[in-house]
Order: sequence, then structure tokens, then C-alpha cells
Amino acid sequence: DGGITQSPKYLFRKEGQNVTLSCEQNLNHDAMYWYRQDPGQGLRLIYYSQIVNDFQKGDIAEGYSVSREKKESFPLTVTSAQKNPTAFYLCASSISPMQPQHFGDGTRLSIL
Amino acid sequence: AQSVTQLDSQVPVFEEAPVELRCNYSSSVSVYLFWYVQYPNQGLQLLLKYLSGSTLVKGINGFEAEFNKSQTSFHLRKPSVHISDTAEYFCALSTSGTYKYIFGTGTRLKVLA
Repeated sequence: DGGITQSPKYLFRKEGQNVTLSCEQNLNHDAMYWYRQDPGQGLRLIYYSQIVNDFQKGDIAEGYSVSREKKESFPLTVTSAQKNPTAFYLCASSISPMQPQHFGDGTRLSIL
Repeated sequence: AQSVTQLDSQVPVFEEAPVELRCNYSSSVSVYLFWYVQYPNQGLQLLLKYLSGSTLVKGINGFEAEFNKSQTSFHLRKPSVHISDTAEYFCALSTSGTYKYIFGTGTRLKVLA
């Protein structure tokens, strides 16, 4: 079955540490996205990528970085510059903006 | 710029009663509209989509929505809810000019026994 796989499901970060969240898709979708979800705030866009080797900042990119070296993969790094990283992170993909997104099951990041 | 407004942050409803979750949007160009459902600690799952054509759209789990261009609305309805429908529901839109999707802040549906 095609889909999006996010790993790990739970992740803990120490102060001053960078952590990387994995997102892999086998849907052959060109576009991939990272969202942050906090209680009562819906989804906020961190970064998105329309094609390989290209990505754009979303609404809350500060303290995050991404890469898109392969069509299937779009990892998100939460850097130590992100002072409040505790949240639920969702990865998504779409074949075009005229079609819905497919979502992974999320990664919950907490601070130790 | 586009926007999506979900007017109700929480909607309590008794089991087997009908429910309507409201979604209004703003856009100067044609839109594509989506409703998603999210269960705790899971990703979003597509309920239904409006791309073009018939304004009444049927989705999974007995849900339907009606696209109303004059009211700029895309309300989600179900004639009889079950306990298992308790979840958070998101309305979203996209346009052909950008790869960005705009989401509402979500409506938490709580079905009471």
C-alpha cells in the first residue's frame, strides 16, 4: 500500500540538541510538506517542497531546516535555535495543488 | 490572500443526532476544498473533496458537504452521528496558483451517549 511513513513516533530532545524527523513517501508525489500542530492552533506550515532540490519556507520556518535530495524523502531538522519545539509534527504530500494532501501519522517531539 | 474560518471550535452532539460543522472561506480565485478528520495522535485522513462539478459532495463514513459559492461556504454534515465520529475536523482549501494549502483551526466534535 502506498503512503507516508514518519519516524520516530515519539522523540525527545535535550537542550542545545538538533534532532531530525524522518518522512518517506512511496506515492510518487512531487510536493511534500511539514506542519507543526499545537493544541487549539490547527496546522502551521513549516516548509514545503514542490520538486527535488527545491524547498520554500512556510509560515514558521525559524529554527527548522529541511532537505529534499530524493523525491521520496523530506527530513525535517529541529535545531537548537527553535526554543519551543514541543509539538506534534505532521508530514504530508500531494500530487498537485488541485488534489488533496496525504498525511503521515505524525511525530510527537518533547523536551527532556 | 486566501483564508479558511471554522466558526465552532467545539461541537457537542448526542449520538444518532444530525450535525453540521461550518466552514467559510475567502478567496479571489477559484478554490478546491477539502474536509479532513483527525483522531488523537494520528495524522489527517481525507473525508471528502470538492474539485469541480456537483456542489453536493459525498465522502466516507456517511459525511457530505455542500459547496456554496455565493455564501463562500463548505459546511460538513452527517444525518446521524456515532460515538466513533468523535474527533477533530479540519476544513482546507487550495488554489491552482500555489502549492500551499490553507487550513482552518479545526472543530472538535464530541458525540455524547
